Amino acid sequence: DAGVIQSPRHEVTEMGQEVTLRCKLISGHNSLFWYRQTMMRGLELLIYFNNNVPIDDSGMPEDRFSAKMPNASFSTLKIQPSEPRDSAVYFCASSFQGHETQYFGPGTRLLVL
Amino acid sequence: SQQGEEDPQALSIQEGENATMNCSYKTSINNLQWYRQNSGRGLVHLILIRSNEREKHSGRLRVTLDTSKKSSSLLITASRAADTASYFCATGFQKLVFGTGTRLLVSP
Repeated sequence: DAGVIQSPRHEVTEMGQEVTLRCKLISGHNSLFWYRQTMMRGLELLIYFNNNVPIDDSGMPEDRFSAKMPNASFSTLKIQPSEPRDSAVYFCASSFQGHETQYFGPGTRLLVL
Repeated sequence: SQQGEEDPQALSIQEGENATMNCSYKTSINNLQWYRQNSGRGLVHLILIRSNEREKHSGRLRVTLDTSKKSSSLLITASRAADTASYFCATGFQKLVFGTGTRLLVSP
């Protein structure tokens, strides 16, 4: 049974470029979460969706960040334009709505030069 | 800001020893979860304890919760090298807030 799938696993880009991170939820899950992990700030929730609807995006750093769920099983997190301070590991997680346990993907390690 | 603060930040023990890590949080909770993160991997859920529970066991894991002190502890008994990882507590429902984590190193 496949877990949460993220791609790419590693991304190196230059400042100013657009970055798109992708996430496939576990089949049947209907809540999707995007997190960012850095040494300085730890693990932070950026945004989460229930049934494809964004519920709370208060953790999104600024307008350069946007997230979508074009369908029930897939999500993207886009950074445009990227900056060196966006360098981090980005995780998505999914769950059944109403359940506390979240299932994390392997993460995308982003380096913005 | 981080809801949970964990201590110690790092813990180094020998295989077979017990490892205890603590988590403190700031606001009232309905439940508290513990997750493990192996190096370079995503987080894996270990155990959840509800606010009306004081202790919970799962295999070699024992979690306690003291809501009066706003603290929780995770005990791993008879540790193994494979337990080497970072351990995080998390509070909240859906909008999880994670602690700073404890890095555990178990040496053979």
